[in-house]
Amino acid sequence: EDQVTQSPEALRLQEGESSSLNCSYTVSGLRGLFWYRQDPGKGPEFLFTLYSAGEEKEKERLKATLTKKESFLHITAPKPEDSATYLCAVRPYSSASKIIFGSGTRLSIRP
Amino acid sequence: GAVVSQHPSWVICKSGTSVKIECRSLDFQATTMFWYRQFPKQSLMLMATSNEGSKATYEQGVEKDKFLINHASLTLSTLTVTSAHPEDSSFYICSALPGDTEAFFGQGTRLTVV
Repeated sequence: EDQVTQSPEALRLQEGESSSLNCSYTVSGLRGLFWYRQDPGKGPEFLFTLYSAGEEKEKERLKATLTKKESFLHITAPKPEDSATYLCAVRPYSSASKIIFGSGTRLSIRP
Repeated sequence: GAVVSQHPSWVICKSGTSVKIECRSLDFQATTMFWYRQFPKQSLMLMATSNEGSKATYEQGVEKDKFLINHASLTLSTLTVTSAHPEDSSFYICSALPGDTEAFFGQGTRLTVV
């Protein structure tokens, strides 16, 4: 069964304290793995797509990496404005339009 | 990136009335659109998948007669909550799939039924 598990559920960091969010996945053929950011009361905002193991993408303080079993979202020297819920999702080859979301990690950055 | 516009962003309606929410892809064509419901501090719950020109596929437990979905064109899908009741109050979000890539989300609609 296709599945996505994110950890931790919540993470509180001090401003400038780097850390990583984990997304473990089980899928019958990976079409793509996606990271989104969601602020309260808003729709998710697209961040990255990763297609194959070893691939990395960066955007400002965020860096996403991918292995055959998991993806990490590394946050370097975070700022309070990075506080949000980060969602991971996968799209399997088995179903053209199916996207499976994890439950998200709520990130809070204290000034 | 691709833009998906969802309207309205919030709506208050009386119990027993119907409410329509629109989801438009502004700069791309979307053969597939998704509708989600989200409760406070919870993740997205997929309600249905709609494909242009065909009937929507509803997830188990979602009442298709209550949540009517129409995907009449490649850029527009609508969700109508019929005979709304207070328990239907929630945050509804749509997303659109341009093709063989990531999906893009609308801003969400906060529905309050009084």
